[in-house]
Amino acid sequence: GNSVTQMEGPVTLSEEAFLTINCTYTATGYPSLFWYVQYPGEGLQLLLKATKADDKGSNKGFEATYRKETTSFHLEKGSVQVSDSAVYFCALINNNAGNMLTFGGGTRLMVKP
Amino acid sequence: EAGVVQSPRYKIIEKKQPVAFWCNPISGHNTLYWYRQNLGQGPELLIRYENEEAVDDSQLPKDRFSAERLKGVDSTLKIQPAELGDSAVYLCASSSPSGLYNEQFFGPGTRLTVL
Repeated sequence: GNSVTQMEGPVTLSEEAFLTINCTYTATGYPSLFWYVQYPGEGLQLLLKATKADDKGSNKGFEATYRKETTSFHLEKGSVQVSDSAVYFCALINNNAGNMLTFGGGTRLMVKP
Repeated sequence: EAGVVQSPRYKIIEKKQPVAFWCNPISGHNTLYWYRQNLGQGPELLIRYENEEAVDDSQLPKDRFSAERLKGVDSTLKIQPAELGDSAVYLCASSSPSGLYNEQFFGPGTRLTVL
């Protein structure tokens, strides 16, 4: 079956620090990969996506590269801000399984000024 | 454009009581999803609708959970009777059929507490 594993949080960083949140997946075929973000009191929002191997998704200074050889999709940002404090979810859609999203457990990021 | 609307945002009930959640998807989105998100975990799909048809309800505990989308627009998810383990955030999402994959747009969720 499909599964997503991401690093447990919370991750606590100072403002302007470098961020990495690890994500690895298990899936048959060629899934599409996503990062969603959930700000306090709000719904899940799509942050970035990659639909094939070696694609790089990017948005709001965040980046993630689809690495098929290591089945990974690690999220990075060069300089985090307090406003980036949220819970980040790695997810995949396997085209062999309809449009069902499979999520990781989420990683809480706390950025301190 | 309005996003996915859910109500209520919060609900506290005693065990064995019934509860219902309502979702109005983004206009024109024919696919609607209900997810359950337990504390500290990622969302898990409960049921997916294509228009008014439930096309994937394999994860829905059918002994106490039911859902409907009678006119292919808004949807209701019901639990009767609720159990302590049902405490979670219930998320609704919708998508349209265009594109290689269908980006899902999520509502803010309903946080259910069962006492």
